[in-house]
Amino acid sequence: QSALTQPASVSGSPGQSITISCTGTRSDVGTYNLVSWYQQHPGKAPKLIIYEAIKRPSGVSNRFSGSKSGNTASLTISQLQPEDEADYHCCSYVGSSPVDVVFGGGTKLTVL
Amino acid sequence: EVQVVESGGGLVQPGGSLRLSCEVSGFTFGNYWMSWVRQAPGKGLEWVANIKQDGSERHYVDSVRGRFTISRDNLKNSLSLQMNSLRAEDTAVYYCASGFCTGDVCYRSSFDYWGQGTLVTVSS
Repeated sequence: QSALTQPASVSGSPGQSITISCTGTRSDVGTYNLVSWYQQHPGKAPKLIIYEAIKRPSGVSNRFSGSKSGNTASLTISQLQPEDEADYHCCSYVGSSPVDVVFGGGTKLTVL
Repeated sequence: EVQVVESGGGLVQPGGSLRLSCEVSGFTFGNYWMSWVRQAPGKGLEWVANIKQDGSERHYVDSVRGRFTISRDNLKNSLSLQMNSLRAEDTAVYYCASGFCTGDVCYRSSFDYWGQGTLVTVSS
């Protein structure tokens, strides 16, 4: 089971919007809506920001939104703020494979 | 207040063993799938293993299957990871993470409560 594919880095200016892609296969992202996204600041534990591809946990800003089309899930952050600078990781349920869960390689977001 | 505290990390030689522990409080441990997730230095997250609420189902990433064993004790609100035949590529911060529950639905592949991690270094 291979890791999901994310861009290594993205950047944007305060107030702008950015989108991070997460590409899997028909065996994971393409079959299940069980994609989640995590924000991780340096030296900190990850924080869940999107689950079931498009849903936000309670307390997460509505500037974060998720979507999915085919084998690719996406995270969009609107109205970028300096504190959004962090690493973002996607994750998907795999299902029938002995491997249950797979992460992407992570994306470094720089707020210029 | 939710607390998730990992322990047991350290420096070990290749081929050696280590046992990680995770103690939790502040949520109903027995209601959640639990996972170990690791992060090698400067790298992304990698799911390692998970275990069902009652311990009846376990899954592992291919690279650790047969070497690592995940277990839990719901009476003690604790999760463990026994790591044998350690390799240099197992070097990472190991996080204990719970599944995510909202309403009556619990997701085993979304991770809500995380510890701060424990560093495992495999080196001679």
